[in-house]
Amino acid sequence: GIQVEQSPPDLILQEGANSTLRCNFSDSVNNLQWFHQNPWGQLINLFYIPSGTKQNGRLSATTVATERYSLLYISSSQTTDSGVYFCAVVNFRGGSYIPTFGRGTSLIVHP
Amino acid sequence: DSGVTQTPKHLITATGQRVTLRCSPRSGDLSVYWYQQSLDQGLQFLIQYYNGEERAKGNILERFSAQQFPDLHSELNLSSLELGDSALYFCASSVVGVSSGPSSYNEQFFGPGTRLTVL
Repeated sequence: GIQVEQSPPDLILQEGANSTLRCNFSDSVNNLQWFHQNPWGQLINLFYIPSGTKQNGRLSATTVATERYSLLYISSSQTTDSGVYFCAVVNFRGGSYIPTFGRGTSLIVHP
Repeated sequence: DSGVTQTPKHLITATGQRVTLRCSPRSGDLSVYWYQQSLDQGLQFLIQYYNGEERAKGNILERFSAQQFPDLHSELNLSSLELGDSALYFCASSVVGVSSGPSSYNEQFFGPGTRLTVL
């Protein structure tokens, strides 16, 4: 199946710092989403971004589907940004569209 | 709040038992997905239903089964439970979930999860 690799696996920042999270995938995809799992376990939608660039406040994302990667930018980080960030893709295999999650980037933002 | 509801929030049971997890999708969504999240396996896709029909199958064990009812809510049945089945089980929904091409109708929204502990 498709491989989805996220980097870095762990990230520790001071409040106010910027960061870039990366998601590489090994095959062409139909959909790509970024999620934030907060410390209470809730999965929160950040972006639906199979291609192109989107921005939402301090967060932005870019997917270059032809080169099989997506980037999530967090600017001026806040302690509430702490949690795990997941990239999830959907690709067609075995006659079905199958979702696959990466292992995530664990982010800790210190005050 | 994503609009996807899951019950119960927590479930504690013993090995060998059977449990049922319930999910109600967002209003208007036709697709329901089930996922298992464990420390060693990460977030694993189990199965997808679209408008009552099974649409895609992932790493779902034979001891597990699911269905989607006419009112579009879904249930995940886990039987002959083992210690290793302890995990967080998520349900997600989307409007369509049939990816003939990129479309925001395929965007998945997750419920709060059911934490299953098998003792």
